[in-house]
Amino acid sequence: GQSLEQPSEVTAVEGAIVQINCTYQTSGFYGLSWYQQHDGGAPTFLSYNALDGLEETGRFSSFLSRSDSYGYLLLQELQMKDSASYFCAVRSYTGGFKTIFGAGTRLFVKA
Amino acid sequence: SQTIHQWPATLVQPVGSPLSLECTVEGTSNPNLYWYRQAAGRGLQLLFYSVGIGQISSEVPQNLSASRPQDRQFILSSKKLLLSDSGFYLCAWTTGVEGYTFGSGTRLTVV
Repeated sequence: GQSLEQPSEVTAVEGAIVQINCTYQTSGFYGLSWYQQHDGGAPTFLSYNALDGLEETGRFSSFLSRSDSYGYLLLQELQMKDSASYFCAVRSYTGGFKTIFGAGTRLFVKA
Repeated sequence: SQTIHQWPATLVQPVGSPLSLECTVEGTSNPNLYWYRQAAGRGLQLLFYSVGIGQISSEVPQNLSASRPQDRQFILSSKKLLLSDSGFYLCAWTTGVEGYTFGSGTRLTVV
């Protein structure tokens, strides 16, 4: 079957750097995505990795290692508005494209 | 630009009542459409996905159903709601392999 694991909670200080890890188990792996969700809102797409390596988008970077079935989201220069839940999601193809989400990591940014 | 509309935003329904949630997408053709459900403080559970008109794939056996009567319209229904159907329902679309765009969601409470 398919499964994803990520920490349930992370706390960091404003201005710091935080890394949120995600390990996955799936067949027909296509790529790993990251989403941000603020309380009461819908998830918004942050990044997508299909190949090994680091993708950088402003203060956010995402990394993938397909051989290790592992990825992470790196948030730099943390701001209070970054307090939210972050979900990793695996896209796979097994007769059709599907995306399965992890349970999410709640990030608390403190002043 | 592409937009996704989902309504209603909030719904309180008695047990045993029917349900109809509608999602429409603008500014794109032949999108892949998805219904997800999110329990409080949890990840997103894929319910249904559709790659075209009349084509529905179900991921979770339950008392919910989905239909796609038009290219850019996706409907989630139930004939008789259960207490366990409460949650945050999200419609999403994608035309590629990268990220989803989510609607604003419907918060359903079954009482």
